[in-house]
Amino acid sequence: GENVEQHPSTLSVQEGDSAVIKCTYSDSASNYFPWYKQELGKRPQLIIDIRSNVGEKKDQRIAVTLNKTAKHFSLHITETQPEDSAVYFCAAPAYSGAGSYQLTFGKGTKLSVIP
Amino acid sequence: DTGVSQNPRHKITKRGQNVTFRCDPISEHNRLYWYRQTLGQGPEFLTYFQNEAQLEKSRLLSDRFSAERPKGSFSTLEIQRTEQGDSAMYLCASSFGRTGGEKLFFGSGTQLSVL
Repeated sequence: GENVEQHPSTLSVQEGDSAVIKCTYSDSASNYFPWYKQELGKRPQLIIDIRSNVGEKKDQRIAVTLNKTAKHFSLHITETQPEDSAVYFCAAPAYSGAGSYQLTFGKGTKLSVIP
Repeated sequence: DTGVSQNPRHKITKRGQNVTFRCDPISEHNRLYWYRQTLGQGPEFLTYFQNEAQLEKSRLLSDRFSAERPKGSFSTLEIQRTEQGDSAMYLCASSFGRTGGEKLFFGSGTQLSVL
Protein backbone atom coordinates (compact mmCIF):
# COMPACT_ATOMS: atom_id res chain seq x y z
CA GLY A 1 0.00 0.00 0.00
CA GLU A 2 0.87 3.67 -0.17
CA ASN A 3 2.90 5.33 2.61
CA VAL A 4 2.82 9.12 2.84
CA GLU A 5 5.21 11.08 5.05
CA GLN A 6 4.62 14.79 5.70
CA HIS A 7 6.94 17.42 7.19
CA PRO A 8 7.00 19.54 9.24
CA SER A 9 4.24 18.69 11.68
CA THR A 10 4.01 22.32 12.81
CA LEU A 11 5.05 25.52 11.07
CA SER A 12 4.89 29.13 12.26
CA VAL A 13 5.52 32.01 9.89
CA GLN A 14 5.15 35.77 10.03
CA GLU A 15 2.34 37.22 7.97
CA GLY A 16 3.61 37.93 4.47
CA ASP A 17 6.32 35.26 4.55
CA SER A 18 6.23 32.03 2.56
CA ALA A 19 5.43 28.57 3.88
CA VAL A 20 6.56 25.25 2.42
CA ILE A 21 5.25 21.82 3.36
CA LYS A 22 6.81 18.65 1.96
CA CYS A 23 5.52 15.13 1.43
CA THR A 24 7.04 11.90 0.21
CA TYR A 25 5.19 8.85 -1.08
CA SER A 26 6.17 5.26 -1.68
CA ASP A 27 4.07 3.90 -4.55
CA SER A 28 5.68 4.75 -7.89
CA ALA A 29 2.34 4.06 -9.60
CA SER A 30 0.72 7.05 -7.84
CA ASN A 31 -0.28 9.73 -10.32
CA TYR A 32 -2.47 12.19 -8.45
CA PHE A 33 -1.45 14.35 -5.48
CA PRO A 34 -3.99 16.57 -3.73
CA TRP A 35 -3.63 18.95 -0.82
CA TYR A 36 -6.44 19.48 1.67
CA LYS A 37 -6.88 22.32 4.16
CA GLN A 38 -8.75 21.73 7.42
CA GLU A 39 -9.64 24.70 9.57
CA LEU A 40 -10.33 24.11 13.24
CA GLY A 41 -13.58 22.21 13.69
CA LYS A 42 -14.31 22.07 9.97
CA ARG A 43 -14.20 19.50 7.21
CA PRO A 44 -11.11 18.99 5.01
CA GLN A 45 -11.37 20.87 1.71
CA LEU A 46 -9.31 20.46 -1.43
CA ILE A 47 -7.18 23.51 -2.17
CA ILE A 48 -4.97 22.32 -5.02
CA ASP A 49 -3.96 19.11 -6.73
CA ILE A 50 -1.39 17.98 -9.31
CA ARG A 51 -1.21 15.05 -11.69
CA SER A 52 1.95 13.26 -12.59
CA ASN A 53 2.15 14.62 -16.12
CA VAL A 54 3.10 18.09 -14.84
CA GLY A 55 5.84 19.27 -12.51
CA GLU A 56 4.22 22.40 -11.08
CA LYS A 57 0.80 23.98 -10.74
CA LYS A 58 -0.11 27.40 -9.38
CA ASP A 59 -3.35 28.95 -8.17
CA GLN A 60 -2.91 32.52 -6.96
CA ARG A 61 -0.81 32.36 -3.77
CA ILE A 62 -0.53 28.58 -3.61
CA ALA A 63 1.54 26.24 -5.75
CA VAL A 64 2.40 22.58 -5.75
CA THR A 65 5.54 21.01 -7.19
CA LEU A 66 6.09 17.35 -7.96
CA ASN A 67 9.28 15.36 -8.38
CA LYS A 68 8.28 11.87 -9.53
CA THR A 69 11.84 10.59 -9.63
CA ALA A 70 12.38 11.42 -5.98
CA LYS A 71 8.72 10.65 -5.09
CA HIS A 72 8.10 13.89 -3.32
CA PHE A 73 5.75 16.84 -3.71
CA SER A 74 5.50 20.15 -1.93
CA LEU A 75 2.96 22.85 -1.15
CA HIS A 76 4.10 26.45 -1.35
CA ILE A 77 2.07 29.33 0.08
CA THR A 78 3.36 32.84 -0.64
CA GLU A 79 2.39 36.10 1.07
CA THR A 80 0.78 34.22 3.91
CA GLN A 81 -2.24 35.69 5.64
CA PRO A 82 -3.83 34.90 9.04
CA GLU A 83 -6.67 33.07 7.29
CA ASP A 84 -4.11 30.58 5.94
CA SER A 85 -3.75 29.26 9.51
CA ALA A 86 -5.05 25.68 9.42
CA VAL A 87 -3.91 22.08 9.21
CA TYR A 88 -2.79 21.04 5.73
CA PHE A 89 -2.81 17.42 4.56
CA CYS A 90 -1.12 15.94 1.54
CA ALA A 91 -2.40 12.71 0.03
CA ALA A 92 -1.50 10.13 -2.56
CA PRO A 93 -3.61 7.38 -4.10
CA ALA A 94 -3.41 3.67 -3.43
CA TYR A 95 -4.79 1.36 -6.07
CA SER A 96 -5.85 -2.23 -5.57
CA GLY A 97 -7.75 -4.78 -7.58
CA ALA A 98 -11.22 -4.50 -9.05
CA GLY A 99 -10.80 -0.81 -9.81
CA SER A 100 -10.54 0.13 -6.18
CA TYR A 101 -8.94 3.45 -5.33
CA GLN A 102 -8.45 5.35 -2.10
CA LEU A 103 -6.37 8.27 -0.85
CA THR A 104 -3.73 7.85 1.82
CA PHE A 105 -3.24 11.05 3.82
CA GLY A 106 -0.18 12.43 5.55
CA LYS A 107 -0.38 13.24 9.25
CA GLY A 108 -0.82 16.93 8.62
CA THR A 109 1.03 20.20 9.13
CA LYS A 110 -0.40 22.78 11.49
CA LEU A 111 0.38 26.16 9.97
CA SER A 112 0.18 29.25 12.16
CA VAL A 113 0.48 32.66 10.51
CA ILE A 114 1.46 35.29 13.04
CA PRO A 115 0.05 38.77 12.33
CA ASP B 1 -26.40 23.04 1.70
CA THR B 2 -26.13 20.46 -1.08
CA GLY B 3 -22.83 19.05 0.10
CA VAL B 4 -22.12 15.80 1.93
CA SER B 5 -24.30 15.45 5.00
CA GLN B 6 -23.51 13.35 8.06
CA ASN B 7 -25.68 12.49 11.04
CA PRO B 8 -25.45 12.70 13.93
CA ARG B 9 -22.77 15.37 14.44
CA HIS B 10 -21.92 14.03 17.87
CA LYS B 11 -22.50 10.67 19.51
CA ILE B 12 -21.67 9.74 23.09
CA THR B 13 -22.06 6.11 24.00
CA LYS B 14 -21.04 3.64 26.65
CA ARG B 15 -18.50 0.95 25.96
CA GLY B 16 -20.15 -2.16 24.58
CA GLN B 17 -23.04 -0.35 22.91
CA ASN B 18 -23.71 -0.36 19.17
CA VAL B 19 -23.75 2.87 17.18
CA THR B 20 -24.77 3.70 13.62
CA PHE B 21 -23.81 6.76 11.57
CA ARG B 22 -25.37 7.96 8.35
CA CYS B 23 -23.84 9.71 5.35
CA ASP B 24 -25.75 11.33 2.50
CA PRO B 25 -23.34 12.02 -0.38
CA ILE B 26 -23.71 14.57 -3.14
CA SER B 27 -26.48 13.08 -5.25
CA GLU B 28 -24.63 12.49 -8.52
CA HIS B 29 -21.51 11.06 -6.88
CA ASN B 30 -20.91 7.37 -7.50
CA ARG B 31 -18.08 6.92 -4.99
CA LEU B 32 -18.39 7.07 -1.22
CA TYR B 33 -15.62 6.76 1.34
CA TRP B 34 -15.46 6.42 5.11
CA TYR B 35 -12.43 7.76 6.93
CA ARG B 36 -11.55 7.97 10.60
CA GLN B 37 -9.62 10.90 12.07
CA THR B 38 -8.12 11.18 15.53
CA LEU B 39 -6.67 14.32 17.07
CA GLY B 40 -3.47 15.42 15.38
CA GLN B 41 -3.68 12.81 12.64
CA GLY B 42 -4.70 12.74 9.03
CA PRO B 43 -7.83 10.92 7.88
CA GLU B 44 -7.35 7.13 7.84
CA PHE B 45 -9.16 5.15 5.16
CA LEU B 46 -11.77 2.67 6.38
CA THR B 47 -13.85 1.59 3.42
CA TYR B 48 -15.01 2.58 -0.04
CA PHE B 49 -18.10 2.07 -2.20
CA GLN B 50 -18.52 2.48 -5.91
CA ASN B 51 -22.27 2.76 -6.35
CA GLU B 52 -23.67 0.03 -4.08
CA ALA B 53 -20.60 -2.23 -4.22
CA GLN B 54 -18.18 -2.16 -1.30
CA LEU B 55 -14.87 -2.49 -3.15
CA GLU B 56 -12.34 -2.18 -0.38
CA LYS B 57 -12.04 -2.43 3.38
CA SER B 58 -9.02 -1.34 5.36
CA ARG B 59 -7.26 -3.71 7.71
CA LEU B 60 -8.16 -1.10 10.34
CA LEU B 61 -11.77 -2.18 9.98
CA SER B 62 -12.31 -4.99 12.47
CA ASP B 63 -15.29 -7.33 12.24
CA ARG B 64 -17.11 -5.02 14.66
CA PHE B 65 -17.41 -2.48 11.85
CA SER B 66 -19.83 -2.84 8.98
CA ALA B 67 -20.85 -0.44 6.26
CA GLU B 68 -23.62 -0.49 3.72
CA ARG B 69 -24.72 1.64 0.81
CA PRO B 70 -28.09 0.30 -0.30
CA LYS B 71 -29.10 1.33 -3.81
CA GLY B 72 -25.92 3.34 -4.17
CA SER B 73 -27.32 6.34 -2.33
CA PHE B 74 -26.78 7.04 1.38
CA SER B 75 -24.43 4.94 3.46
CA THR B 76 -24.40 3.74 7.05
CA LEU B 77 -21.45 2.77 9.21
CA GLU B 78 -22.21 0.60 12.21
CA ILE B 79 -19.84 -0.14 15.06
CA GLN B 80 -20.83 -3.02 17.31
CA ARG B 81 -19.63 -3.48 20.89
CA THR B 82 -17.88 -0.13 20.91
CA GLU B 83 -14.50 0.23 22.62
CA GLN B 84 -12.81 3.36 23.97
CA GLY B 85 -10.31 3.12 21.13
CA ASP B 86 -13.15 3.70 18.67
CA SER B 87 -13.44 7.32 19.88
CA ALA B 88 -12.66 9.47 16.85
CA MET B 89 -14.16 11.68 14.17
CA TYR B 90 -15.75 9.57 11.44
CA LEU B 91 -15.65 11.37 8.12
CA CYS B 92 -17.57 10.50 5.00
CA ALA B 93 -16.52 11.73 1.58
CA SER B 94 -17.95 11.37 -1.88
CA SER B 95 -16.70 11.87 -5.41
CA PHE B 96 -17.61 11.28 -9.02
CA GLY B 97 -15.19 9.30 -11.10
CA ARG B 98 -14.15 6.02 -12.58
CA THR B 99 -10.39 5.86 -12.55
CA GLY B 100 -9.45 7.80 -9.47
CA GLY B 101 -7.80 11.18 -9.14
CA GLU B 102 -10.96 13.08 -8.54
CA LYS B 103 -11.80 15.63 -5.84
CA LEU B 104 -13.19 14.29 -2.59
CA PHE B 105 -15.94 16.25 -0.90
CA PHE B 106 -15.98 15.65 2.82
CA GLY B 107 -18.86 15.85 5.24
CA SER B 108 -18.56 17.57 8.62
CA GLY B 109 -18.11 14.24 10.34
CA THR B 110 -19.59 12.41 13.31
CA GLN B 111 -17.60 12.81 16.53
CA LEU B 112 -17.85 9.58 18.51
CA SER B 113 -16.98 9.47 22.19
CA VAL B 114 -16.99 6.07 23.89
CA LEU B 115 -17.08 6.29 27.68
